[in-house]
Amino acid sequence: EIVLTQSPVTLSLSLGERATLSCRASQSVSSFLAWYQQKPGQAPRLLIYDASNRATGIPARFSGSGSGTDFTLTISSLEPEDFAVYYCHQRSNWPLTFGGGTKVEIK
Amino acid sequence: EVQLLESGGGLVQPGGSLRLSCVASGFTFSNYVMAWVRQAPGKGLEWVSTIAHSADSTYYADSVKGRFTISRDNSKNTLYLQMNSLRVEDTAVYYCAKGFESRSYWESWGQGTLVTVSS
Repeated sequence: EIVLTQSPVTLSLSLGERATLSCRASQSVSSFLAWYQQKPGQAPRLLIYDASNRATGIPARFSGSGSGTDFTLTISSLEPEDFAVYYCHQRSNWPLTFGGGTKVEIK
Repeated sequence: EVQLLESGGGLVQPGGSLRLSCVASGFTFSNYVMAWVRQAPGKGLEWVSTIAHSADSTYYADSVKGRFTISRDNSKNTLYLQMNSLRVEDTAVYYCAKGFESRSYWESWGQGTLVTVSS
């Protein structure tokens, strides 16, 4: 099973700041990695697929990069609606796995 | 507009069974891979199971293999999850999710149904 380790667990930032979230895989997942956003009481929302492609309707301030074992989700300038939990997810190998999540909170 | 409506959750005793359903609308259900993903209270996301668009392939997390069965009825636009031999650790919100194109990413999600396993 591929383990995805996200860091940091919590990221405390102010509005307008840049957020950099990391996801490291225990073995290569090529580019088969996605990022999701989840707000309290809501279902997750797909943000990024195949490491760097924005899903439909996702603002340009969200970007993804990386391949192999190291991936990054960047939010260029935090908006109020961006404070949430973010999960990475790999589809390279069965079983599919998610990372443990990074909570982006208001500082 | 894509809609996924789960039902069937509830309180069940350890060792019991439940069947979850997810009725889909707003897209051609038979063209898409579908999945169940769960989230224990206050915890992260855990993939449970995936079924191919034609139901000819199914996949399971090790934690549920042999106890849960995913199925679909494309004539009814409905996804199912039969859960047997339930354990306390199966307590979670269960989400139905629609695949993105032909890939096992999840672009649309239901609102979730809560399954509580407790004596």
